[in-house]
Amino acid sequence: QVQLQESGPGLVKPSETLSLTCTVPGGSISSYYWSWIRQPPGKGLEWIGDIYYSGSRKFNPSLKSRVTISVDMSKNQLSLDLRSVTAADSAVYYCAGEIGRGFDIWGHGTMVTVSS
Amino acid sequence: EIVMTQSLDTLSVSPGERATLSCRASQSVSYNLGWYQQKPGQAPRLLIFGASTRATGVPARFSGSGSGTEFTLTISSLQSEDFAVYYCQQYSNWPYSFGQGTKLEI
Repeated sequence: QVQLQESGPGLVKPSETLSLTCTVPGGSISSYYWSWIRQPPGKGLEWIGDIYYSGSRKFNPSLKSRVTISVDMSKNQLSLDLRSVTAADSAVYYCAGEIGRGFDIWGHGTMVTVSS
Repeated sequence: EIVMTQSLDTLSVSPGERATLSCRASQSVSYNLGWYQQKPGQAPRLLIFGASTRATGVPARFSGSGSGTEFTLTISSLQSEDFAVYYCQQYSNWPYSFGQGTKLEI
């Protein structure tokens, strides 16, 4: 079972950039499409965007102008940058992988709070 | 953008009973529909993909049906560990989208 691990600061100031990484062990980074998904406290799931190791990317239009997703094959990592954050961006952020049949692997999630 | 709507926010049932959860898509997603279970403090877990195929390790009491715009998740005989929040998700079109979730409670 592939285990994913998100990491990054738990607290980000308003208007700054939220930056997270997700480590994918075992060289499986080329086997999946990798997504970032978030979940505000007590609310539902929101898909942010995804990336394939070839560099192909898709984004949620609601966030597209503020999001960068990248992959580093040498480190087996994917990254998320979300710019100009507000309190509405406070959420648990998950990385997850899929191969056209739903997200069958997930990280544990990392809580990010936007506050001054 | 495809909007996924789950008809119930909360469903109250008893252990041993059958639970039926519904999900509707604003336009056809064919069979590109997954169901997830989420327990407090945990990441979602894929239960069903392709609208009706159980993911690895998912008990047979979970079954999915439907196609196009109407989908159902059925849990045939509820166990205590099944009380959780369930989400449907379409992966037919980008942006991928989730239903708002149905909380299954006692």
